[in-house]
Amino acid sequence: AQKVTQAQTEISVVEKEDVTLDCVYETRDTTYYLFWYKQPPSGELVFLIRRNSFDEQNEISGRYSWNFQKSTSSFNFTITASQVVDSAVYFCALSEASSNQFYFGTGTSLTVIP
Amino acid sequence: EAGVTQFPSHSVIEKGQTVTLRCDPISGHDNLYWYRRVMGKEIKFLLHFVKESKQDESGMPNNRFLAERTGGTYSTLKVQPAELEDSGVYFCASSPLRRTEAFFGQGTRLTVV
Repeated sequence: AQKVTQAQTEISVVEKEDVTLDCVYETRDTTYYLFWYKQPPSGELVFLIRRNSFDEQNEISGRYSWNFQKSTSSFNFTITASQVVDSAVYFCALSEASSNQFYFGTGTSLTVIP
Repeated sequence: EAGVTQFPSHSVIEKGQTVTLRCDPISGHDNLYWYRRVMGKEIKFLLHFVKESKQDESGMPNNRFLAERTGGTYSTLKVQPAELEDSGVYFCASSPLRRTEAFFGQGTRLTVV
């Protein structure tokens, strides 16, 4: 069964629009970690954020914000005032305390049109 | 500080040939992971080293794949013989022993023709 679901395969927005990338996860562990990674055209996976299961506070970092809701098992990522440099594939991932591996979603390809 | 580096960045080989991918983790990182992304699908776990020991190799698809981590430093992933379905992007990641986020390399794009 898929542990991390990113239902949006591709999204296109016009520069300066806000965009939200959805992530839904599934786990039976009470302790777990959620991540977002960005994959720019150069190919590497760039770490953006980690949240643990006991901290539901939303986080803002510049134009990026994350909304963690345990009630709906979601960890959504919003980019405000998008820029062309935000164009990339974004991956949501889950790591359970009982295991060292990451479970990734299939990724959302974001294109910001100038 | 140098990040995780992978070599080569691209490899095109014929079915039946052997390919060896290399990963140099961030210096001092005891955890080293290999992941693979097949076209359009999720990134999937292959295996995990702690120093030179294989901690978890449950994601290795079959015995054509062999991973080693000599002396707990760099790691190699050998595919022998390669099959068409082995095509994809192979990522390596590393992390310190007690940290949970992993730092990924740029990946090696393997194409088997």
